[in-house]
Parts: sequence; C-alpha cells; structure tokens
Amino acid sequence: NAGVTQTPKFQVLKTGQSMTLQCAQDMNHEYMSWYRQDPGMGLRLIHYSVGAGITDQGEVPNGYNVSRSTTEDFPLRLLSAAPSQTSVYFCASSYNTGGYGYTFGSGTRLTVV
Amino acid sequence: AQSVTQLDSQVPVFEEAPVELRCNYSSSVSVYLFWYVQYPNQGLQLLLKYLSGSTLVKGINGFEAEFNKSQTSFHLRKPSVHISDTAEYFCAVSDQDFGNEKLTFGTGTRLTIIP
Repeated sequence: NAGVTQTPKFQVLKTGQSMTLQCAQDMNHEYMSWYRQDPGMGLRLIHYSVGAGITDQGEVPNGYNVSRSTTEDFPLRLLSAAPSQTSVYFCASSYNTGGYGYTFGSGTRLTVV
Repeated sequence: AQSVTQLDSQVPVFEEAPVELRCNYSSSVSVYLFWYVQYPNQGLQLLLKYLSGSTLVKGINGFEAEFNKSQTSFHLRKPSVHISDTAEYFCAVSDQDFGNEKLTFGTGTRLTIIP
C-alpha cells in the first residue's frame, strides 16, 4: 500500500504562474482534503471532497480550485500563484465515517517568488 | 463551528522527564478528538484519538491523553520522553454531527527534548 502520494515534493513558481499539485490514494477512501501549513498557524483546510464528483470549500479556498473525477485522485490547482501562497501543502484522506482519522501525504513545499 | 487552542507553542523537556502538552477545544456539539505528530520534514501521523467511552486514551510511542468534557480539554502526556519524541504535535477536533472527517487543527506545540 502506497497510502497517500503527493507530487511534486518541492516547487518554485513565479508570481502569476499556474500549476497543479497532485494527490492520489490507494485505500479507497471516500474523503479527501487539502491543507496548507504555515508557521504558527497550524493546518488550515483549503478544499475537501466527500466522494467522486463532490467538492466543497474549506477555510481558505481563495486562489485554489479542485475537482474529484475519481475516488483515487484529488488535484489542487493554483490559478495564478501569489507570494502569499508560499506554504507547505498536505493532502489527506479518510473513510467517510466519523472518527476514523486521516492518512497524510508527505507534503509539497511550494515557494512563489 | 469548532476551534482548538494549544496553549504552548514550544515545550522544552529534559530526556526521561514527563511531559504534558495542553489542548482545549470549543464546540457546540459532541466531538471527536485527535492528536497528530509531525516529525521534521514529514507528514502528520495519527498518535491517538478519542471517540467515546473511557476518557483515558492510549496511543502509539507511549503517549496517552485524557478527555475532560467539563473543562473541554484533551491534554497529551508521556511519563518519560526520549530524544526521538522531538517533533511538532497537533491537536484536532471534528464534530460528531458533521458526518465526515472534517478536522479543525490547533496551531501546534513544538516539543524539544534536551539530552
């Protein structure tokens, strides 16, 4: 079992560029989510999905898009990168039952210059 | 809406000493509670969770946590820490009524073990 796989691990973007962070899980989890981690702020929810074809916004969705065409994949798109989006991004997945707990990917460290 | 407060951003502890990392939460409904650990340059790993039943929960690596509903707290403890426990620890909460795993995290506590 690979668990949750995120690519790339590191990325440097110029302001205004777009890119997609990839996330895939092989555990047949219904629930997937994207968090960003910034110093002193913990993890903040960007977008989440409770199943294929269903997505919703989290706490900090502006500047990001998601889609969920399959159970396995949940890509995060940055539409026009800004320095404020410099962060570490984590994808996580879980069964869609209360209290199961997340499996996290190893993260993508993004720098926008 | 729920929120989580981790009162200490950094906790230095001597090796083999006990440690307590504090977590308080706020929610208008019943909750599930979690502690996650993040080792340097890694993702988060589930340490333990409280769903229901006994208020004392045991997790991996010798950690335990106690749920106190009246004080809305879920403090993490270990009786004797090791160098390998150096990491950042996150408390998280989800509403039981929400029906899925939408978690709200605290800002984290960095545990540093002093040899």
